[in-house]
Amino acid sequence: RKEVEQDPGPFNVPEGATVAFNCTYSNSASQSFFWYRQDCRKEPKLLMSVYSSGNEDGRFTAQLNRASQYISLLIRDSKLSDSATYLCVARGGYQKVTFGTGTKLQVIP
Amino acid sequence: DGGITQSPKYLFRKEGQNVTLSCEQNLNHDAMYWYRQDPGQGLRLIYYSQIVNDFQKGDIAEGYSVSREKKESFPLTVTSAQKNPTAFYLCASSIGGGFGNTIYFGEGSWLTVV
Repeated sequence: RKEVEQDPGPFNVPEGATVAFNCTYSNSASQSFFWYRQDCRKEPKLLMSVYSSGNEDGRFTAQLNRASQYISLLIRDSKLSDSATYLCVARGGYQKVTFGTGTKLQVIP
Repeated sequence: DGGITQSPKYLFRKEGQNVTLSCEQNLNHDAMYWYRQDPGQGLRLIYYSQIVNDFQKGDIAEGYSVSREKKESFPLTVTSAQKNPTAFYLCASSIGGGFGNTIYFGEGSWLTVV
């Protein structure tokens, strides 16, 4: 079983739609969590950190459920520019960082 | 601008050759990392360094070597011992290695074996 699992997609959604991704992690020692965005053939870029209380940044909302060991990302009012692959990251001990394989989102006009 | 600079962006290597990928950061970060990304796979850690003159193997260190002689620089050498080196290589850094520290990436280097 992978330490961080994501549905690879692709998720094809129309502009303006709301879409949600989940990510599960298996290492209960993981302490911090992040969502990164990666465009095709580019480097990952930090989208947002994920806190137990949940956090929101504009159209993006991230939630952490430690009991069930999953994190989620909600994108409201999808834009064409949101098309990308979204990577879930779990960070454990001093150097233990695990990346998911990513969920591909395609926003359709 | 502050950031992480990788070079070259594209590199072609012949069988049996060693190649070195450069990574420089001006963020004053202590921790630096090298990752490899293959299609359909997550990022895999090759090496990391917490401070100057110290580095540790990651999950897939075989066939790779690094040095950390300066805080700003963390070059990666892909040796001929690496059996399947064609991949996207990402250098990254963070303020420290603690779990709360965000990891930032350079633009990456594409290595192809010809």
